[in-house]
Amino acid sequence: QKEVEQNSGPLSVPEGAIASLNCTYSDRGSQSFFWYRQYSGKSPELIMFIYSNGDKEDGRFTAQLNKASQYVSLLIRDSQPSDSATYLCAVSLNTGTASKLTFGTGTRLQVTL
Amino acid sequence: GAVVSQHPSWVICKSGTSVKIECRSLDFQATTMFWYRQFPKQSLMLMATSNEGSKATYEQGVEKDKFLINHASLTLSTLTVTSAHPEDSSFYICSARVSGWGEQYFGPGTRLTVT
Repeated sequence: QKEVEQNSGPLSVPEGAIASLNCTYSDRGSQSFFWYRQYSGKSPELIMFIYSNGDKEDGRFTAQLNKASQYVSLLIRDSQPSDSATYLCAVSLNTGTASKLTFGTGTRLQVTL
Repeated sequence: GAVVSQHPSWVICKSGTSVKIECRSLDFQATTMFWYRQFPKQSLMLMATSNEGSKATYEQGVEKDKFLINHASLTLSTLTVTSAHPEDSSFYICSARVSGWGEQYFGPGTRLTVT
C-alpha cells in the first residue's frame, strides 16, 4: 500500500466549475498535510496546508481534512485554465525540525474552456 | 511565501565529470533543506535531508558518495553529483523547511543532462 495515494487523472473540469482533488494516507500518526501545484517543467509551489480536522479556506482554495478517514482533499472554486497543473498531496509524520514530506504521485487537472 | 533560489537552472555535462548545484534561502534562515530528484512524469523522490553544520541524512538507495551534500551555512546547501552518468540526468529540486508545521518551499529546480 502506498503511503500517500492520489488518483493520477487527468481530472477534467469546465472553466468556472469546482475541481475536487482527493488524497488518502496510510499513517495515522501523520500530523500535517500539504497541497502543492506543479506546472509542467517547473518545481512545486505550495498552495496551502492544514493540520486540524475540518475545512481551511484561502481564496478560491479550500482544504478539507478528516483524520478519522485518513483523507484530505482540495477544492478549487471557479476553476480557471491557469489552474491546469498537477496537484501534489504531501504528508508529514511530525512537526520536528527534520520532518520529511511524503508525496503522492499527483493528480493532473485540466480546466477546459 | 519564503523564497528559495537554485543555481544553475540547467546544466549539460559530459559523462564522468562532476556538477555542483547550489540552493539558497533568500529571505530566511533554513536549518534544514531537502534535495529531491524528479524523472519525467514521475513524482518527487526525496534524496537527502541537509542539516546545517552536520552530515546529511540520505534516503535508502541513494549513494552518499555519489551525491555529496554540504550545508555550510543557514542559507546555503550544495549538492554535488560526482562522476555523473547519463542515468543521473534528471530534474533536481531543493526545498527549505520554514516553520514548525513542516511546510517546505521549493527552489525552481536544476535540469541536469549528462551526455
